[in-house]
Amino acid sequence: GENVEQHPSTLSVQEGDSAVIKCTYSDSASNYFPWYKQELGKGPQLIIDIRSNVGEKKDQRIAVTLNKTAKHFSLHITETQPEDSAVYFCAASPYTGANSKLTFGKGITLSVRP
Amino acid sequence: EAQVTQNPRYLITVTGKKLTVTCSQNMNHEYMSWYRQDPGLGLRQIYYSMNVEVTDKGDVPEGYKVSRKEKRNFPLILESPSPNQTSLYFCASSSGPYLTGELFFGEGSRLTVL
Repeated sequence: GENVEQHPSTLSVQEGDSAVIKCTYSDSASNYFPWYKQELGKGPQLIIDIRSNVGEKKDQRIAVTLNKTAKHFSLHITETQPEDSAVYFCAASPYTGANSKLTFGKGITLSVRP
Repeated sequence: EAQVTQNPRYLITVTGKKLTVTCSQNMNHEYMSWYRQDPGLGLRQIYYSMNVEVTDKGDVPEGYKVSRKEKRNFPLILESPSPNQTSLYFCASSSGPYLTGELFFGEGSRLTVL
């Protein structure tokens, strides 16, 4: 089955700096890669996703890049703010209808220092 | 407001005392799923359902049961809870019969089994 790994497990940045969170996956059949943000005491919430026919996707301060050859994808947050502090989960799925299964990474805790 | 509602949010119980965690969504979603979140292990799927009366095991189904008698409800049943089921539980839903996109998570149910 799919194995998704996130690196690093914790990340601390200064407010205003950029943060990059990397994930690797094992199943070459995976073609859907979402990122979820979990704020303290809440459930995860989708912030951005990318499908395998796209190499990069951007939404304001957040961008995701995908390298299918190397089987890794990354979340980029620019101009970080204290409210970006949260746990971030990457995930991967083969997106094949009834066989679709979303496998999550273990999560990374991002701390933005004011 | 579109939401996934879980109850109870917090519960302390004792080994062997049957309990049910309820989950209800108001988005008319077909796909629903339960996850548990443990430190260092991320989100792991317990059970999922693609429609009424259609359920299947996820990655960690042992010790759990589910039912899907109505489209909006997907309760998680622990027939004889054990301390290793102490965890943070999330219910999630997605439109369509399969996992085709965004998962909407509830706010979580923190369960402690003594």
